[in-house]
Amino acid sequence: EIVLTQSPATLSLSPGERATLSCRASQSVSGYLAWYQQKPGQAPRLLIYDASNRATDIPARFSGSGSGTDFSLTISSLEPEDFGVYYCQQRRNWPSYTFGQGTKLEIK
Amino acid sequence: QLVESGGDLVQPGGSLRLSCAASGFTFNNYWMTWVRQAPGKGLEWVANIDQDGNEKDYVDSVKGRFSISRDNVKKSLYLQMNSLRAEDTAVYYCAREMAVAGGSYNYYGMDVRGQGTTVTVSS
Repeated sequence: EIVLTQSPATLSLSPGERATLSCRASQSVSGYLAWYQQKPGQAPRLLIYDASNRATDIPARFSGSGSGTDFSLTISSLEPEDFGVYYCQQRRNWPSYTFGQGTKLEIK
Repeated sequence: QLVESGGDLVQPGGSLRLSCAASGFTFNNYWMTWVRQAPGKGLEWVANIDQDGNEKDYVDSVKGRFSISRDNVKKSLYLQMNSLRAEDTAVYYCAREMAVAGGSYNYYGMDVRGQGTTVTVSS
């Protein structure tokens, strides 16, 4: 099973700052990595699929990069609505998937 | 849009059937998935099914207990859960994923559109 490890566990930043979230895979997942945002009481929202492709209606301030085992999600300038928990997910062995444990992005 | 239903409080060892009604897209062109989230925990992929209902896959922890199915006429996805355990307590979400058309596979991410349905396994 491919294990995804996200870091940091918690990230405290202010609106307007740049956020960089990391996801590391226990073995190569090629470019088959997605990122999701979840707010309390809500379903997860797809942000990025296949490492760098923004999903429909996702603002340009969200970008994804990486390949193999190391990936990043960057939010160029934080908006108040961007705070929440972010998960990475891999589909290297599709049709099965695994998720990372999440990074909580909180207001400083 | 995806609307989940069927969640309830059930005793350990019991059974439950979840449903997911789809609208706004061509249901029979997509693989469909169930994802769950235990209270205070992260996301876990549970099972998925191909566009025709022939190919299915499950996370190891539910194999032999859960069964995924679909009805393309009713545009609905189902999850039959048997031999339920306390660790199955979670919010269950359905999602569309791999698009299949004319033998071509196209992936645009796992799109979780519903609000989920809550399953609680407790005596």
